[in-house]
Amino acid sequence: GAGVSQSPRYKVAKRGQDVALRCDPISGHVSLFWYQQALGQGPEFLTYFQNEAQLDKSGLPSDRFFAERPEGSVSTLKIQRTQQEDSAVYLCASSPTRSSYEQYFGPGTRLTVT
Amino acid sequence: AQSVAQPEDQVNVAEGNPLTVKCTYSVSGNPYLFWYVQYPNRGLQFLLKYITGDNLVKGSYGFEAEFNKSQTSFHLKKPSALVSDSALYFCAVRQNRGSTLGRLYFGRGTQLTVWP
Repeated sequence: GAGVSQSPRYKVAKRGQDVALRCDPISGHVSLFWYQQALGQGPEFLTYFQNEAQLDKSGLPSDRFFAERPEGSVSTLKIQRTQQEDSAVYLCASSPTRSSYEQYFGPGTRLTVT
Repeated sequence: AQSVAQPEDQVNVAEGNPLTVKCTYSVSGNPYLFWYVQYPNRGLQFLLKYITGDNLVKGSYGFEAEFNKSQTSFHLKKPSALVSDSALYFCAVRQNRGSTLGRLYFGRGTQLTVWP
């Protein structure tokens, strides 16, 4: 079956621009996670959704970062007024439930802020 | 606080030799432990997990990992390495309860290179 998909795969933004990154989770998966992976680092948690409810946004680095999942399926991570330090790969993962052991990751969106 | 350490940025082994990628962790309560592999331009792929039970867990592609509670370690192993095993490997930990349930904490990753 189809896995987690993300779009765009690559995004170049000029400093100060707004960007929107999309995640399509596996159909029926209740839980959706966003992670940020800086160059040479492991992924770091950003936020978590259970259906349409954002239950944990403690990992969002600033108020320029905003995520939504309005219908409990597709999710969008929005970054306003991008800065160079926002350059990273943004990974989306989904799982059947919050307590499910495995998270299924998408290929990521590589964001470069110039 | 939860954390994972992968002390080696790189591991190099010859094909056919055994390999070990090291991981130590710190977590409140009983840990759930995971290994993921990342190939270039691809997402993380699940390899194996430890939840409870036997300390030696077996996963995909012939990999296994040994949970050692006293040493808080979860080293990844394979008896005979293949060139195709060359990739970036991440160890991860999560809590089994609480407000951060489900959130994975990753190490920095270890680049494994297997030469022919």
